[in-house]
Amino acid sequence: ETGVTQTPRHLVMGMTNKKSLKCEQHLGHNAMYWYKQSAKKPLELMFVYSLEERVENNSVPSRFSPECPNSSHLFLHLHTLQPEDSALYLCASRPRLDMNTEAFFGQGTRLTVV
Amino acid sequence: GQQVMQIPQYQHVQEGEDFTTYCNSSTTLSNIQWYKQRPGGHPVFLIQLVKSGEVKKQKRLTFQFGEAKKNSSLHITATQTTDVGTYFCAGRASGTYKYIFGTGTRLKVLA
Repeated sequence: ETGVTQTPRHLVMGMTNKKSLKCEQHLGHNAMYWYKQSAKKPLELMFVYSLEERVENNSVPSRFSPECPNSSHLFLHLHTLQPEDSALYLCASRPRLDMNTEAFFGQGTRLTVV
Repeated sequence: GQQVMQIPQYQHVQEGEDFTTYCNSSTTLSNIQWYKQRPGGHPVFLIQLVKSGEVKKQKRLTFQFGEAKKNSSLHITATQTTDVGTYFCAGRASGTYKYIFGTGTRLKVLA
């Protein structure tokens, strides 16, 4: 248990569906991240939030829409996804954006787009 | 942009053999972190190196940071089946907040 909780753990969705991934941390961290992990690829940074403000949008398609309503919660809204978007989506947090500290990862959401 | 490569991509070893994975960055790093991801799991932090030439040990694991702060290695002595997983390095370039993850080395240990 890392203190970062992601729901759901598994999700199967059609290409026309709309769904949301949720990430929650009660570690008091100010920085939160979304990563995509596909087979045979390194972890891809998607979005970074610091104190609820988005500081990084790594050329991610608009079918992925993040939301950070407060420093404890992070969402990833999904719509009209493609099969190649199937992957493990990992949320992580750090105490602060600019600190030499470890990232705490959630257990991930395994997404399958059919 | 900054790239972080790891070699080898895969490694199968007999239990009791040693294992080493190497991490190389295209840019000078401020610090480097290592993570382990068990099959079906999520990355878990192992250690951080900050100083040039730094060496840290955790039981059978030895971590090194190169003198030029562009490369790092993780060495496991006498592997055990519990060492199975993918090992990632993550480097942060000076003056940035972004950690770039390496491509990972997947370790399998045969009993």
